[in-house]
Amino acid sequence: KAGVTQTPRYLIKTRGQQVTLSCSPISGHRSVSWYQQTPGQGLQFLFEYFSETQRNKGNFPGRFSGRQFSNSRSEMNVSTLELGDSALYLCASSKGESTEAFFGQGTRLTVV
Amino acid sequence: QKEVEQDPGPLSVPEGAIVSLNCTYSNSAFQYFMWYRQYSRKGPELLMYTYSSGNKEDGRFTAQVDKSSKYISLFIRDSQPSDSATYLCAMSVYNQGGKLIFGQGTELSVKP
Repeated sequence: KAGVTQTPRYLIKTRGQQVTLSCSPISGHRSVSWYQQTPGQGLQFLFEYFSETQRNKGNFPGRFSGRQFSNSRSEMNVSTLELGDSALYLCASSKGESTEAFFGQGTRLTVV
Repeated sequence: QKEVEQDPGPLSVPEGAIVSLNCTYSNSAFQYFMWYRQYSRKGPELLMYTYSSGNKEDGRFTAQVDKSSKYISLFIRDSQPSDSATYLCAMSVYNQGGKLIFGQGTELSVKP
């Protein structure tokens, strides 16, 4: 059974640019959550999508947005990149409410 | 004060030792408790998933939840060098969908 797939694995962007990250969940999973991981703040919840609707949102600025498609694949977009956005971005998929969440390998974003 | 507290370590033990990892939390609404293992430059891997209080065992791993004390533990028996990784506790509330709140993670090193 294929796991959670995130693309690309690595990205280098310049301040002010925007970036789109992709996440393909485990087959049959309808919930996709996104997290930012940094050495200082650890893993922080960005938002969750379930059946193409944002169901929950963390405390991040509006520059961080996402969407989910009918096949449950999800994208996350960060506009007007700042140096502080450099992090490992992880997505997790699950079947639904409060069930086990499985993570992808992450996208490492570096903003220069 | 963070909702979930976890000692970042590092924790170093000899091969074969019993390892005890712990988290405390402040939100009494947490009902679902998870432990993840994360190797360097990889995504978190789900080790244990428990609901409410009690114990759960899976091979060399045992998870304990004490809701009255707001305290969870992960025990690793017969630790191996391959167990060297960062261990993250995570928790969620039923009506907040896929939102997981993570501890900072404990870095574990098992020496041969």
